[in-house]
Amino acid sequence: AQKVTQAQTEISVVEKEDVTLDCVYETRDTTYYLFWYKQPPSGELVFLIRRNSFDEQNEISGRYSWNFQKSTSSFNFTITASQVVDSAVYFCALNPARNQGGKLIFGQGTELSVKP
Amino acid sequence: DTGVSQDPRHKITKRGQNVTFRCDPISEHNRLYWYRQTLGQGPEFLTYFQNEAQLEKSRLLSDRFSAERPKGSFSTLEIQRTEQGDSAMYLCASSFRTGEGDIQYFGAGTRLSVL
Repeated sequence: AQKVTQAQTEISVVEKEDVTLDCVYETRDTTYYLFWYKQPPSGELVFLIRRNSFDEQNEISGRYSWNFQKSTSSFNFTITASQVVDSAVYFCALNPARNQGGKLIFGQGTELSVKP
Repeated sequence: DTGVSQDPRHKITKRGQNVTFRCDPISEHNRLYWYRQTLGQGPEFLTYFQNEAQLEKSRLLSDRFSAERPKGSFSTLEIQRTEQGDSAMYLCASSFRTGEGDIQYFGAGTRLSVL
């Protein structure tokens, strides 16, 4: 089975707090790609990051960082010093390489609310 | 370069009517995808095109749904005899095929309400 689970439905933090969004995936493929997207209230999904299964290095981009651990099938996303503008729904997605079509399998999303 | 454009942004229709949505991908993107998103859920794949060829359809795509991408440019998604269960956000995405986890860029979606 190919599946993405985002167990946290909603998270609420106060501005400047750090927050981690969890993502656990299932696939039998050895080659696959993982993504994070942000969906603000306007509705458009915004691409944040892509990771392939052979690259387990953590990545940092400004206040955003991602922790990929194949041993636990997790690809977690941390926002440091959160800001009100970070309020959105965040989706983790899986694209198994055997799936030549490239369709994404999304998790249910985590709604992040950052209060001033 | 402009992003993925979808039209209309909102559509309200009565049960049993037909509706058609349009998606204009990022120019030179050869792949185009349709997803459906219901409230509180992640997007679910419906179908995708590579150029003008429709290469995959989800079992979610019933016989009442049809998609086209003439000439490999814009795409249309038609729903015939709409049902209340069709109410959802319909998202379009496009990508340039690299064969290595193509990054899909999404439009703002068309929100369909079936009364």
